[in-house]
Amino acid sequence: KAGVTQTPRYLIKTRGQQVTLSCSPISGHRSVSWYQQTPGQGLQFLFEYFSETQRNKGNFPGRFSGRQFSNSRSEMNVSTLELGDSALYLCASSGKDRDRETYGYTFGSGTRLTVV
Amino acid sequence: GENVEQHPSTLSVQEGDSAVIKCTYSDSASNYFPWYKQELGKGPQLIIDIRSNVGEKKDQRIAVTLNKTAKHFSLHITETQPEDSAVYFCAASKGSNYQLIWGAGTKLIIKP
Repeated sequence: KAGVTQTPRYLIKTRGQQVTLSCSPISGHRSVSWYQQTPGQGLQFLFEYFSETQRNKGNFPGRFSGRQFSNSRSEMNVSTLELGDSALYLCASSGKDRDRETYGYTFGSGTRLTVV
Repeated sequence: GENVEQHPSTLSVQEGDSAVIKCTYSDSASNYFPWYKQELGKGPQLIIDIRSNVGEKKDQRIAVTLNKTAKHFSLHITETQPEDSAVYFCAASKGSNYQLIWGAGTKLIIKP
């Protein structure tokens, strides 16, 4: 079955601009979580959406926002980009999988954002 | 809140030897403990997970052990191979309605 799809894979933006990243989860998964990953900083949780509602939120400024559509696809937006926003942004979907009793995440390959 | 500590941050082992990565969690209500492997340029991939009602789980060369009393769990990789080189993350969760709390990651290097 198709995995988690993130678009675009790479992005270069200028300070002050805004950016929108997209994530299509595994079919049937209703939860989508977003993470920021920078070298040496591990996985920093941004937010989670479940059935179009934000269910959990990490400690990021309000410049980071997201939404989820009725088909479970999700977008995240970063406004007024700063140099420190350069990172790999990962999306993960989760849901009860018929083949295995797990609520583990399936990650996409990420969007590499570079702010110059 | 929940905190997960992971050690070591870097682990270098000879090919064919075993590797062990340990994680400690703080919230005794945590009941789900997955391990992820992240290869260069890719997103993390779930490799094994364990629930709190089980003490050990194996999948070929990989095993995870859980000690609920001490609140720690470990990943064991036997007969390491070059393709095991990656960053490994542990995580803990109280259930599907809660977010995963992640360890900081361990860079595993397999020396030929």
